[in-house]
Amino acid sequence: EAQVTQNPRYLITVTGKKLTVTCSQNMNHEYMSWYRQDPGLGLRQIYYSMNVEATDKGDVPEGYKVSRKEKRNFPLILESPSPNQTSLYFCASRPGPRYEQYFGPGTRLTVT
Amino acid sequence: AQSVTQLGSHVSVSEGALVLLRCNYSSSVPPYLFWYVQYPNQGLQLLLKYTSAATLVKGINGFEAEFKKSETSFHLTKPSAHMSDAAEYFCAVSGEYGNKLVFGAGTILRVKS
Repeated sequence: EAQVTQNPRYLITVTGKKLTVTCSQNMNHEYMSWYRQDPGLGLRQIYYSMNVEATDKGDVPEGYKVSRKEKRNFPLILESPSPNQTSLYFCASRPGPRYEQYFGPGTRLTVT
Repeated sequence: AQSVTQLGSHVSVSEGALVLLRCNYSSSVPPYLFWYVQYPNQGLQLLLKYTSAATLVKGINGFEAEFKKSETSFHLTKPSAHMSDAAEYFCAVSGEYGNKLVFGAGTILRVKS
C-alpha cells in the first residue's frame, strides 16, 4: 500500500530534551516536506526536500533540523524542544510541483 | 510567491443545503490548486485539484470547484450537504517550480440537522 508513515504518533517530552520524528514514504517521491498545524493558522511548512541531500527552509524553520540521506526517509529533529513547538506535525511527499501532497497520519507533540 | 486566503474560518449549513467554501489565491506563476479535507483526529485527504486542464474540477464525495483566473478564486461547492461533510477544509496553492505548497488557514464546516 502506498503510504507515508510517521513515528511516533504521540509524544510528550520536556523542554530541552532532543527528539526525532521519523518519516518514511514508499512511493519513490522526489519531494518531501514537514508541516506543523496550529489552530487558526492552517499548515505551515517547516522544511522541504527536493531530492537526496537537497533540503531547504520553509516558512517556520527555527528550532528544527532535517536530513535527507535516503530518498524514502526524511526525519525531523528538534535539538532543544520548547513549549512553543507543541503542535501537530505532518510529513508529506509528492512526485513533483503539479501533484498533490500525500500526508502521513500526523504526530502530536507536547513539550512541557 | 504564493498565498491563499480562505474567507470564513467557520461555515454552518443545514443538511441538504448548498455548501460554498471560499478560496482566493495569489500567485506570480500559473498556479496549481488543491482542496484537502481533514476529519476530526485524522490526517489530510485530497478532495480535488486543478492543474491547468478543465476549469471545473470534480472531486470525491460530490464536491467540485471552479478555477476563475479573473477573480483569482477556487471556491469549493457541494449541492447538498450531508452530516458526514462536517470537517475542516483547506485550500492550497503551488507554483510550477519548487516545493512550496502554501495552505490557507482552513474553514471548519458544520452541518446542522
